[in-house]
Amino acid sequence: AQSVTQLDSQVPVFEEAPVELRCNYSSSVSVYLFWYVQYPNQGLQLLLKYLSGSTLVKGINGFEAEFNKSQTSFHLRKPSVHISDTAEYFCAVAMNTGFQKLVFGTGTRLLVSP
Amino acid sequence: DTEVTQTPKHLVMGMTNKKSLKCEQHMGHRAMYWYKQKAKKPPELMFVYSYEKLSINESVPSRFSPECPNSSLLNLHLHALQPEDSALYLCASSQAVGSKNIQYFGAGTRLSVL
Repeated sequence: AQSVTQLDSQVPVFEEAPVELRCNYSSSVSVYLFWYVQYPNQGLQLLLKYLSGSTLVKGINGFEAEFNKSQTSFHLRKPSVHISDTAEYFCAVAMNTGFQKLVFGTGTRLLVSP
Repeated sequence: DTEVTQTPKHLVMGMTNKKSLKCEQHMGHRAMYWYKQKAKKPPELMFVYSYEKLSINESVPSRFSPECPNSSLLNLHLHALQPEDSALYLCASSQAVGSKNIQYFGAGTRLSVL
């Protein structure tokens, strides 16, 4: 079975500063990796995904993530955050065979202040 | 259009009530999902429908009864719920149930059981 660890429950950062949200996963087989964002009182929106190919993945709203197989990580980065990026961010993994349910991390709350 | 529409947005019900949550998508997706999300927790999978047939039930209590009347519509019938069932209920859809298929989420129904 796979699992996802988001070590940081909350990350405070000032506007226009860079940010990295960490995600590590555990799996004995190859996986697909996703980052979702959840704004207050809303559902989840896909930021980006890694299915195969280039390990650097670019997503919406200026976010990107790098898949590192040796370190089993998929950290999310943005070079300059905005107040509007304040939200909950979930990393998720699914095994790449057939249907395997998405396994979510516990989430990281990004708090951007002026 | 990647919209999944859920109604109602908010629902308050007593433990003896019967109510239903509704989810609709017009993206031609053939897989639909129900998730439960407690406050400050990640979503937990409840049910998966594939081509209008229930394919996964994550050991959900029978007081939750899913229904997929057609390929665009997914319902969740609620009966004799408990206060601990209060949560955000999220619907999602994807092209098919393979793990690489992106799940698109609705904004959710926030349920309070009194």
